[in-house]
Amino acid sequence: EADIYQTPRYLVIGTGKKITLECSQTMGHDKMYWYQQDPGMELHLIHYSYGVNSTEKGDLSSESTVSRIRTEHFPLTLESARPSHTSQYLCASSDPGGSGNTIYFGEGSWLTVV
Amino acid sequence: QKEVEQNSGPLSVPEGAIASLNCTYSDRGSQSFFWYRQYSGKSPELIMFIYSNGDKEDGRFTAQLNKASQYVSLLIRDSQPSDSATYLCAVTSSGGSYIPTFGRGTSLIVHP
Repeated sequence: EADIYQTPRYLVIGTGKKITLECSQTMGHDKMYWYQQDPGMELHLIHYSYGVNSTEKGDLSSESTVSRIRTEHFPLTLESARPSHTSQYLCASSDPGGSGNTIYFGEGSWLTVV
Repeated sequence: QKEVEQNSGPLSVPEGAIASLNCTYSDRGSQSFFWYRQYSGKSPELIMFIYSNGDKEDGRFTAQLNKASQYVSLLIRDSQPSDSATYLCAVTSSGGSYIPTFGRGTSLIVHP
């Protein structure tokens, strides 16, 4: 089972501010993901990474960017936050070994842009 | 476009009954199938995964996979009010990327 940590858990910021959502995992998983989910709605994959120095855009277009300099760390950055970015952001990681790429989620970061 | 379809519900069952949740997928090359439970305001948590045709049991949960018909289901026996949540089906397809595709989820309500 993966241990995935996200900070901050809850954040309220003003329009135009820059924000970085942190995500770290301790299991050495190569693959990491960022999902966006509005309350009661489906998950949308916005970014993923196969490993260090690998980043890919997901199914849902997002104005955020990610980096993967270390295996355990996959931060997501919004350069200029807007109210439309208000949502829950879920970080996840997986290991394609015996579990068939089971994804494990962090607790999520709730972002409110006012 | 690889698709995973679930009835959004809500599915309402009485306490103690069997809840049956269904999921269909479009990619015949799909290899791994997952069920997640998500409580309101929380992140998804893995219930179980299945690779092979047939049934896989874990406590009160049974996953059933039928690759010929392209569906996977989750049975919850002796349903409890604490099982009330949204259940997400996820499918990992062929092609090497192994990026799971999630369904929209089915809302389950277990009433006393």
